[in-house]
Amino acid sequence: GNSVTQMEGPVTLSEEAFLTINCTYTATGYPSLFWYVQYPGEGLQLLLKATKADDKGSNKGFEATYRKETTSFHLEKGSVQVSDSAVYFCALRINFGNEKLTFGTGTRLTIIP
Amino acid sequence: KAGVTQTPRYLIKTRGQQVTLSCSPISGHRSVSWYQQTPGQGLQFLFEYFSETQRNKGNFPGRFSGRQFSNSRSEMNVSTLELGDSALYLCASSMTADQPQHFGDGTRLSIL
Repeated sequence: GNSVTQMEGPVTLSEEAFLTINCTYTATGYPSLFWYVQYPGEGLQLLLKATKADDKGSNKGFEATYRKETTSFHLEKGSVQVSDSAVYFCALRINFGNEKLTFGTGTRLTIIP
Repeated sequence: KAGVTQTPRYLIKTRGQQVTLSCSPISGHRSVSWYQQTPGQGLQFLFEYFSETQRNKGNFPGRFSGRQFSNSRSEMNVSTLELGDSALYLCASSMTADQPQHFGDGTRLSIL
């Protein structure tokens, strides 16, 4: 089956620190990969995506590269801000399949000033 | 452009009751998916509708059902509520199967 494994949280960093949240996946088909972010009391917001191997998704200073050889899609940001504090979810969806997203367990990120 | 709208935002029910949650997708989006989010199980897929037809279903009991109307609005229904049904229910819409899903803010259901 399909699954996503995410770095266990919570993660606490100081402002301006470098962020990495690890994500690896297993898939029976050909997946697209996503990072979603959830702020308190809200739904999920799409942060970035990549649809094929070696694609790099980027948004708001966050980046992730689709690595087929290591089945990974690690999220990185060079300098985090307090406003980045949220829960981050890695997810996959099988291309040419259906709409179902398979999510990781989420990583809670807290940035301290 | 209005986002995905879910109503109500909060709901309190007792065991044995039934509940209906509503989702209005982004204008032009024809696919609507539902997810359950709990601290223990995380985000789990419930079902997906496209053009009023259920295309995919997750591993939930038959007490969980849904439907989609001709205007793409969707409802999900849970009958004979159990304590374990307490969760945040999220709806997501997309235009086509190869486009990302956009989520609403969810309905938080509490079962007493």
